[in-house]
This record gives sequence, structure tokens and C-alpha cells, in this order.
Amino acid sequence: DAGVTQSPTHLIKTRGQQVTLRCSPKSGHDTVSWYQQALGQGPQFIFQYYEEEERQRGNFPDRFSGHQFPNYSSELNVNALLLGDSALYLCASSPGTKGDTQYFGPGTRLTVL
Amino acid sequence: GNSVTQMEGPVTLSEEAFLTINCTYTATGYPSLFWYVQYPGEGLQLLLKATKADDKGSNKGFEATYRKETTSFHLEKGSVQVSDSAVYFCALSKTGTASKLTFGTGTRLQVTL
Repeated sequence: DAGVTQSPTHLIKTRGQQVTLRCSPKSGHDTVSWYQQALGQGPQFIFQYYEEEERQRGNFPDRFSGHQFPNYSSELNVNALLLGDSALYLCASSPGTKGDTQYFGPGTRLTVL
Repeated sequence: GNSVTQMEGPVTLSEEAFLTINCTYTATGYPSLFWYVQYPGEGLQLLLKATKADDKGSNKGFEATYRKETTSFHLEKGSVQVSDSAVYFCALSKTGTASKLTFGTGTRLQVTL
């Protein structure tokens, strides 16, 4: 049973560019959440997708947007990158309304130069 | 709003020592409580959880008890191993559904021979 997968593993961008990160949830999970983890900090919630709609959102600007596909996979898009966007981006999946435990992927390390 | 406070790290212990990592929380209602572990260069792994007062979560020798009266969820292990060296995160979410996780800042544990 494959767990949560994310791609790419690492990414280097320059300020002002745009980036897309991808996530495939654990089998049987229909809810995907995204978190940003800055170096030495705990993860911060960005948003959550269920039934292809954004259901919850954290305190992040509109430069952060996402999408969920019919197969439950998800993308995180960040526009107009800033140096402060450098972080580990974590995707977590859960079985929607059937449980409250989220399972995390290995993350994508984004470096903005 | 919800928040989680963890003891500052790093915590350095000798192998076979007793471990306690303190965690207290502030939340409306009765949240679910979690401990996640992050090994170097990896994403987060669920270690244990508890969903109601006086519940004890346990896994791999680690334990934590949900204390509503003290709003605490301290992590303990009777005898740590070098392989337990990692960063430990305490987190909470609204009970019942996969609501957003609110994390503490993490506590780094280093176990030496």
C-alpha cells in the first residue's frame, strides 16, 4: 500500500517565479492538506481540499493556491516567489469525514534564491 | 485560537535514559492530540494519538496521556535508543474530522551511547 507521495523532492527557483508542487494521497484517502515548514519550525497549515474544493485555509496570501483532481491528487501553486517562501512543503492525506488522522508525505524542499 | 507549546530543545540523553517531552495546549472544545516524529531529511510520521480525556496513546514504547485538567499531553519513554534521535512535534486538531493540525515548534532529541 503506497503512502503519500510528493514530487519533486527538491526544487530551486528565483524570486518572482512560479512553482507547482504535486501530491498523491494514500490509497483510500480523499482529503489532502498542505503545510509549510520553515527551517527549525513546526508545520503551518496552508489549506485543505476535499471533493475538489478548498474547505479550509490558513493564514497564507492569495499567492498560494491549489487544486484537487478527481483522483484526489492535488497541486500546490505559489506565484511571485519570495525568499521567505523557502521551506519544506508537506502534503498530508486523510480519509475525509471517516477519521481525524493525517498521514504525511516526505515533502518537497523549495529553495528560493 | 488554538495553540501548542512544547518544551525547548535540544534534549540530550544517554541511551536507556527516561524521556519526557512536555506539551501543553490551548483550544476551544475538546481537541484530538497527536505526537508526530520527524527523522532527518524526512516528512512527519504519526507516533501516537489520543482523542478524548484520560485516553493514553502508545506506540514503539512511547506513551502520552490526554490530561484535560492540565491541558497537557506529555510524551514519555522509559528507555530511549540512539535510533530515537529525531524531532518530535506535538499537535492538535478538532476531533472527529480531518481538520487542520496546529503544531508546536518541535523538540529535538539526541540520544548518545
